[in-house]
Amino acid sequence: NAGVTQTPKFQVLKTGQSMTLQCAQDMNHNSMYWYRQDPGMGLRLIYYSASEGTTDKGEVPNGYNVSRLNKREFSLRLESAAPSQTSVYFCASTRGGRNTIYFGEGSWLTVV
Amino acid sequence: LAKTTQPISMDSYEGQEVNITCSHNNIATNDYITWYQQFPSQGPRFIIQGYKTKVTNEVASLFIPADRKSSTLSLPRVSLSDTAVYYCLVAHSGGYQKVTFGTGTKLQVIP
Repeated sequence: NAGVTQTPKFQVLKTGQSMTLQCAQDMNHNSMYWYRQDPGMGLRLIYYSASEGTTDKGEVPNGYNVSRLNKREFSLRLESAAPSQTSVYFCASTRGGRNTIYFGEGSWLTVV
Repeated sequence: LAKTTQPISMDSYEGQEVNITCSHNNIATNDYITWYQQFPSQGPRFIIQGYKTKVTNEVASLFIPADRKSSTLSLPRVSLSDTAVYYCLVAHSGGYQKVTFGTGTKLQVIP
C-alpha cells in the first residue's frame, strides 16, 4: 500500500520557470491538501480539495494553482517560480472529518 | 474550525515525562482532538486522538478535561528519538474541511 505519493522529491528551478508537483493517493480518500513548510516553521496550507470536483484556497495560495484531476490525484502548479517559493511541499489526504490525515514524503523545491 | 494555541517550544531531559498542553476554547460539540508528530524532513504522522477524559496508546496519553477547552499530550519517559514537532488539531467528526496545522510545539530532548 503506497499511501500518498509525491513527485518529484527534489527539484531546482530558475526564477520564472514553471513546474507541477504531482500527488496521488491510493486510499480512496475524499480530501486532499497541499502544504508548504519553510525551514524551522510550521505547515502552511496552500490549497485543498475537500472532495472530488472542488478546490479552495488555504492560507498562502498566491503564486500557486491546483487541479483535482480525479479522486486519486491532486497537483500543485507554480506558474512563475520565485525564490520565496523555495520550501518543502507536502501533499496529504484523508477520508474526511476526524479521520487520520496521511502525508507524502515531501518535495524539496529550490528556486534560484 | 476551532483555533488552537500551544507552546512554541519545550526542552526535556531523557527519561522524563513530557506534557504538552493545547488550548482550544472554541471547540464544538462534535469536534475531536488529534495530535500529530513530525520528525525533521518527514511529513507529520498521527499519534493519538480523543474526545473526552483520557485516551492511551503505545506511544502517548491524551488528557481532556470535562470542559474540553484544552488537552494535554503526555509522553512518558522521553528519549532522544522523541525530538520532534507536535501539532494539536481540532476537527469535526464528519464532513470535509480545511485543515490547518499551526506552528506546533518543538520538543527538544536533551541527553
